[in-house]
Amino acid sequence: EDQVTQSPEALRLQEGESSSLNCSYTVSGLRGLFWYRQDPGKGPEFLFTLYSAGEEKEKERLKATLTKKESFLHITAPKPEDSATYLCAVHPGGGVYQGGKLIFGQGTELSVKP
Amino acid sequence: GAVVSQHPSWVICKSGTSVKIECRSLDFQATTMFWYRQFPKQSLMLMATSNEGSKATYEQGVEKDKFLINHASLTLSTLTVTSAHPEDSSFYICSAKAGPYPGDTQYFGPGTRLTVL
Repeated sequence: EDQVTQSPEALRLQEGESSSLNCSYTVSGLRGLFWYRQDPGKGPEFLFTLYSAGEEKEKERLKATLTKKESFLHITAPKPEDSATYLCAVHPGGGVYQGGKLIFGQGTELSVKP
Repeated sequence: GAVVSQHPSWVICKSGTSVKIECRSLDFQATTMFWYRQFPKQSLMLMATSNEGSKATYEQGVEKDKFLINHASLTLSTLTVTSAHPEDSSFYICSAKAGPYPGDTQYFGPGTRLTVL
């Protein structure tokens, strides 16, 4: 069964304390892995798209990496404004996913304290 | 670039009335849009996939007669909640796929908070 699991469910960091969020996936054939940030009461904001193992992308304090089984979102020297829920989504491709529908993880709620 | 808007951002209605929510891709054309529902502290739940010029595909358990979806153009999809009841109160979010391929990135709207009294 196609599945996406994010860990930890919640993460509390001190400002400047670097860490990583994990997204493990079990799908028949990966056609895209997506990271989003969601603030309370708002829609998800796009961060990164990764398509193949070994691919890495960076944006400010965030860096996303991809292997054949999982993706990491590394946060370097986080600031309080990085506090949000980070969602990972996977497009397995083929079958019922041909239209582009995604499988979402449950999210990691990140809190960065000053 | 890749901006998706939703209107209204919030709506309060009486039980039994219908509510229409609009989703627009502002700077790109989207042949496929998606409608999600999100409950507090939970992830997104896909309701339906909307393709321009054709009938929407609903997920199992979603009543298509209650949640009417119309994708009339490459930049506009609408969700109408018919005969709304308090249990339909939720946060509704749309997304638009920026490209013709299934793996193209989806961009999300800001969401619409529906409260049914």
